[in-house]
Amino acid sequence: KAGVTQTPRYLIKTRGQQVTLSCSPISGHRSVSWYQQTPGQGLQFLFEYFSETQRNKGNFPGRFSGRQFSNSRSEMNVSTLELGDSALYLCASTRDRGPGNTIYFGEGSWLTVV
Amino acid sequence: QQPVQSPQAVILREGEDAVINCSSSKALYSVHWYRQKHGEAPVFLMILLKGGEQKGHEKISASFNEKKQQSSLYLTASQLSYSGTYFCGTASLGNQFYFGTGTSLTVIP
Repeated sequence: KAGVTQTPRYLIKTRGQQVTLSCSPISGHRSVSWYQQTPGQGLQFLFEYFSETQRNKGNFPGRFSGRQFSNSRSEMNVSTLELGDSALYLCASTRDRGPGNTIYFGEGSWLTVV
Repeated sequence: QQPVQSPQAVILREGEDAVINCSSSKALYSVHWYRQKHGEAPVFLMILLKGGEQKGHEKISASFNEKKQQSSLYLTASQLSYSGTYFCGTASLGNQFYFGTGTSLTVIP
C-alpha cells in the first residue's frame, strides 16, 4: 500500500514568487492536512481538507491556501513568498475525520526561499 | 493550544530508560505519539484514546491521564535506533490536531 506522496521533494524559490505543493494521500483516505515544520517551532497546523472542503484552518496568513480534489489529492499554495516561509511542508492523511484516526505523514517538501 | 513537551532534549546511553511528557491546557480526546528521524517523515508510534487503555509495543509504551490532560511516553532499555525527535499530537473533539515542539532523543553507545 503506497504511503502519502508529496511532490516536489525539494525546491528553491525567490522572494515574491509563489509555489504549489502537491499531496496524494493513502488510497482510501479522505482527510488531508498540511503542516509547516521549522526548527524550534515543531509542527504548525496549516489546514485540513475533507470531501473537498476546508474543515479547519491554522493561524497562518491568507498567502497560504489549499484545496482538495474529488480524488482526495490536495495542493497547497503559498503566494508572495517570504524568507520566513522556508520550511519543511508536511502533508498527512487519515482515513476519516475524528481525533481517533491515525495520521500518516508524507516525507515532505523542503522549500527554501532566497 | 500547542501541547508542551518536556524535556526538550535528552541524551541516553544504550540500555537506559527515558520518559517524555506531553501536557495540554485543553480537554483531550486523544494523544498521538510520533518519532521523526532527520530528513524523514514522522512515523506513527501509538495513539491513546480517552477512556482507552495504556498502549505499547516492544519497549515503548505510553499513558494518558485524562484528568490532567497529560500523556507520557516511556522508552525502556533504549537502543541506538530510538534516536530521533519525538512529537506528541493532541486532539479535542473538534478534530484539530496540535503537535508539541518535540523532544530530541539521542542514544549513544
